[in-house]
Amino acid sequence: QQQVKQSPQSLIVQKGGIPIINCAYENTAFDYFPWYQQFPGKGPALLIAIRPDVSEKKEGRFTISFNKSAKQFSLHIMDSQPGDSATYFCAASMESGYSTLTFGKGTMLLVSP
Amino acid sequence: NAGVTQTPKFRVLKTGQSMTLLCAQDMNHEYMYWYRQDPGMGLRLIHYSVGEGTTAKGEVPDGYNVSRLKKQNFLLGLESAAPSQTSVYFCASSRPTGTDTQYFGPGTRLTVL
Repeated sequence: QQQVKQSPQSLIVQKGGIPIINCAYENTAFDYFPWYQQFPGKGPALLIAIRPDVSEKKEGRFTISFNKSAKQFSLHIMDSQPGDSATYFCAASMESGYSTLTFGKGTMLLVSP
Repeated sequence: NAGVTQTPKFRVLKTGQSMTLLCAQDMNHEYMYWYRQDPGMGLRLIHYSVGEGTTAKGEVPDGYNVSRLKKQNFLLGLESAAPSQTSVYFCASSRPTGTDTQYFGPGTRLTVL
């Protein structure tokens, strides 16, 4: 049972392009939506996160757009750079109780020079 | 601070052998997690712990056991390794809510022949 669906599985963009990664969730009780970034040979690290009381959050070149009614959220990377090449995971959880993160399957992004 | 450390970094086992993976964190986090990462499957939660002496099953617990005897350590055991357990294993820790940042270790690459 996959509660968070992520697409695309892989993505290649040129430097300066705007890659967009999409996620959809099923559980309406989710109220926290983080994105993790993973470089080859490393563990994932939190990149940016959003809660459903806002529709957009920006941190530097990274933006999360959130559509509560559609149960979808997406990551946009403005002016992408080769150093952004990594695997990106969306996730979802609930603040209440002993909630754990449910991860999407990941998107491997390659930004070509 | 070292953050989250994992021992060993690499290991090769033969089918039927046993081993223990050690995770240690120095951030005084209550919650700890074990994930496995397989190509195209994302991060899947094996077991987690919400405090010293407590453990719970995640999405894919079969074939694994865990123990949290000390707050800073979380052990993952494979009693009788199988080729299907070939994977990269990540440990993570967080403060005690479902919405706090999870800090990941560098991973252990396990191959079962």
